[in-house]
Amino acid sequence: GQQVMQIPQYQHVQEGEDFTTYCNSSTTLSNIQWYKQRPGGHPVFLIQLVKSGEVKKQKRLTFQFGEAKKNSSLHITATQTTDVGTYFCAGLAGNQFYFGTGTSLTVIP
Amino acid sequence: NAGVTQTPKFRILKIGQSMTLQCAQDMNHNYMYWYRQDPGMGLKLIYYSVGAGITDKGEVPNGYNVSRSTTEDFPLRLELAAPSQTSVYFCASSHYRDGPNYEQYFGPGTRLTVT
Repeated sequence: GQQVMQIPQYQHVQEGEDFTTYCNSSTTLSNIQWYKQRPGGHPVFLIQLVKSGEVKKQKRLTFQFGEAKKNSSLHITATQTTDVGTYFCAGLAGNQFYFGTGTSLTVIP
Repeated sequence: NAGVTQTPKFRILKIGQSMTLQCAQDMNHNYMYWYRQDPGMGLKLIYYSVGAGITDKGEVPNGYNVSRSTTEDFPLRLELAAPSQTSVYFCASSHYRDGPNYEQYFGPGTRLTVT
């Protein structure tokens, strides 16, 4: 069945360091979304990528969608303590979204 | 707008009991979804609906039922609760318009424990 894998599972960084999480799908995706979930909270939408090779930026966050539309990445430049949380990718295949397992980011002040 | 609301926030069920998790949205979204999130894991789609009267199974539908009689409400029914259904349940909605825009708005979640 459809699988969306995400690595790493956990990442601890010093404040100011960069952070990257990677998402890989077993099949081609129609689009990919990224969400952030704070501890005890609910997922909050960050961005959606649709086109092959698409790159989008939101301030310190850079999102990429692979050429084959099977992988994606989220890169945060110069992390801040407010970036703490779990980052999930969600790929659309058919009519369903398949969420990755998430990367939990800890930022050490 | 209240966005997506879910009730209850917490619930403890005994094995074999049944319950309905309520979800409502006031954004006039046509798409609604039910997910479950097990500890340290991503979200898995249980059921979804593309409009009133239309529902379909997701990745993990066994042990659950849904209905969508109005645009606003999308209740999730658990029949004969089992310990494997202990999880956090999230309802979400999105509005498909002018192309493939499926930004999902999530409710605060319901923490369910089955013992």
